[in-house]
Amino acid sequence: DAEITQSPRHKITETGRQVTLACHQTWNHNNMFWYRQDLGHGLRLIHYSYGVQDTNKGEVSDGYSVSRSNTEDLPLTLESAASSQTSVYFCASSELRAGEQFFGPGTRLTVL
Amino acid sequence: GENVEQHPSTLSVQEGDSAVIKCTYSDSASNYFPWYKQELGKRPQLIIDIRSNVGEKKDQRIAVTLNKTAKHFSLHITETQPEDSAVYFCAAISRGGNKLVFGAGTILRVKS
Repeated sequence: DAEITQSPRHKITETGRQVTLACHQTWNHNNMFWYRQDLGHGLRLIHYSYGVQDTNKGEVSDGYSVSRSNTEDLPLTLESAASSQTSVYFCASSELRAGEQFFGPGTRLTVL
Repeated sequence: GENVEQHPSTLSVQEGDSAVIKCTYSDSASNYFPWYKQELGKRPQLIIDIRSNVGEKKDQRIAVTLNKTAKHFSLHITETQPEDSAVYFCAAISRGGNKLVFGAGTILRVKS
């Protein structure tokens, strides 16, 4: 069955370190998204991609970057982790830009 | 850009009662409005969505209504059950838009 996976599921890191969160989907969806979830803020869009070599900034993109070298993967990189980036991160993909998004299981990141 | 406000932030109902969650949006060009349910520790999952050419949509005990003039849409859950307890998120995206904007979420508790 097609699915979307994230790794690692839990990560503890130190301030200033570079961290990469992986996202892999097997639906062959062109559209992929990264969100962070914090209490009281719902899901906020970090970056998104509509296809290979396409990346776009979301509403909270500062301190994050993504790259899209193939259809299946959209890794999220925190260039220099900050305590404010402690959060739960969800990756999602969709067939349509304005259509159902399928979410991964999430990655809980703690920056000490 | 789009702004989505969701109310209430928490809602407690007795099992068997109805629950209503309301969202307002700012972009009159928005044309797609999904609702996601997130159980504790799980990923968000789509439960129902509506497009701007439709005023109401039902799926068993769940319904969504859309008032384009007032720019608000609502989720209605009838005959609530304990397994309906979760966080519910509304969202909106505009035609040609590239960002699904989420509300802050509503914690629904169904007391048995």
